[in-house]
Amino acid sequence: GIQVEQSPPDLILQEGANSTLRCNFSDSVNNLQWFHQNPWGQLINLFYIPSGTKQNGRLSATTVATERYSLLYISSSQTTDSGVYFCAGGYSSASKIIFGSGTRLSIRP
Amino acid sequence: GAGVSQSPRYKVAKRGQDVALRCDPISGHVSLFWYQQALGQGPEFLTYFQNEAQLDKSGLPSDRFFAERPEGSVSTLKIQRTQQEDSAVYLCASSPWADTDTQYFGPGTRLTVL
Repeated sequence: GIQVEQSPPDLILQEGANSTLRCNFSDSVNNLQWFHQNPWGQLINLFYIPSGTKQNGRLSATTVATERYSLLYISSSQTTDSGVYFCAGGYSSASKIIFGSGTRLSIRP
Repeated sequence: GAGVSQSPRYKVAKRGQDVALRCDPISGHVSLFWYQQALGQGPEFLTYFQNEAQLDKSGLPSDRFFAERPEGSVSTLKIQRTQQEDSAVYLCASSPWADTDTQYFGPGTRLTVL
């Protein structure tokens, strides 16, 4: 099955800083998603990005499918960005997705 | 519109009790997923429905776990004879189509087995 590795496991930054989170996959995936889990436990889908680059405000993501990794960029961090960021991948859009263990991001004011 | 809702939000059970966790997906969503999230870990897949059909139950950890979605909307995850290792947050997600991309998650049910 698919193995998902995320790095770094923990990241502490000052407000306003930029960050890059990485996700490596053991196998090629056709379904790749990034999620943010806020401190109250709610999972919010950020991007569906099996390949290419997408941007949404201060967040952007890039997936290099041929090399089986994806990057999530957060610019000008705000305290509300704190939480755990997960990537997840699956073989198809209609199948289960396998989550990584997450990157815990803490933004200090 | 309303998102995915789950009830109860918190459940405390004594070891050996049966529990039932409910998921109300976004109206009209075809696909429904259940995940289990242990403390400090990422969610782990349990089972997947497309309408009322359970297409994948490979993640259910034992035969004590059972899920149903009889009318293709509301789903129930039932755990029989709960054990302490069943303590976790149980998350439900839905998506609009069978071949869609984005999964929309509910707030989860935190189950504690004493």
